[in-house]
Amino acid sequence: EIVLTQSPGTLSLSPGERATLSCRVSESVSSSYLAWYQQKPGQAPRLLIYDASSRATGIPDRFSGGGSGTDYTLTISRVEPEDFAVYHCHHYGGSLTFGGGTKVEIK
Amino acid sequence: QVQLVQSGAEVKKPGSSVKVSCKASGGTFSRYAISWVRQAPGQGLEWMGGIIPLFGATNYAQAFQGRVTITTDESTRTSYMELSSLRSEDTAVYYCARGSPGVPFDPWGQGTLVTVSS
Repeated sequence: EIVLTQSPGTLSLSPGERATLSCRVSESVSSSYLAWYQQKPGQAPRLLIYDASSRATGIPDRFSGGGSGTDYTLTISRVEPEDFAVYHCHHYGGSLTFGGGTKVEIK
Repeated sequence: QVQLVQSGAEVKKPGSSVKVSCKASGGTFSRYAISWVRQAPGQGLEWMGGIIPLFGATNYAQAFQGRVTITTDESTRTSYMELSSLRSEDTAVYYCARGSPGVPFDPWGQGTLVTVSS
């Protein structure tokens, strides 16, 4: 079973700072099947990035994804107030598994 | 653009069953898989299973095998997720989403809170 480990658990930042979130996969996977979602309190997750680096429709270009093999990152170039949320990585290959999430909170 | 709207919150007794609905509007319904994902309070996301409406083919996560049944009604563009033998640990928000192996999950329904309590 593929396991996704996200770090850090919580990231405390001020608006305007750069955020770098990590997702480590327990075995090498195709980057074609790695996604990131944003979830705000009381809301459903929203697709941000798919295929490791492609932005979903309507997602601002301050969000970018990268990585391959077992290590993937989500970067927010300059965090805006509306970006404080929980971020989940997701492998949607043969198995469908999610990481435990990273909370981006206001410092 | 497809939108998914789920049924309302439920309170259930341990040992009973719950059936949550997910109605699609707009876009194409039959050809794309619908998956069900749950999120326990303060926890991460957990895939439960999915269905391709056109074929009625289902795929369930091992953790839920034998307890979950996912169906669709193409005439009403609605998917259903039924979970049986409920226990307190099943208290969670249940989401439907369009997605499957090879397809990222987008969009998502708004979520349905299921509370299991005696």
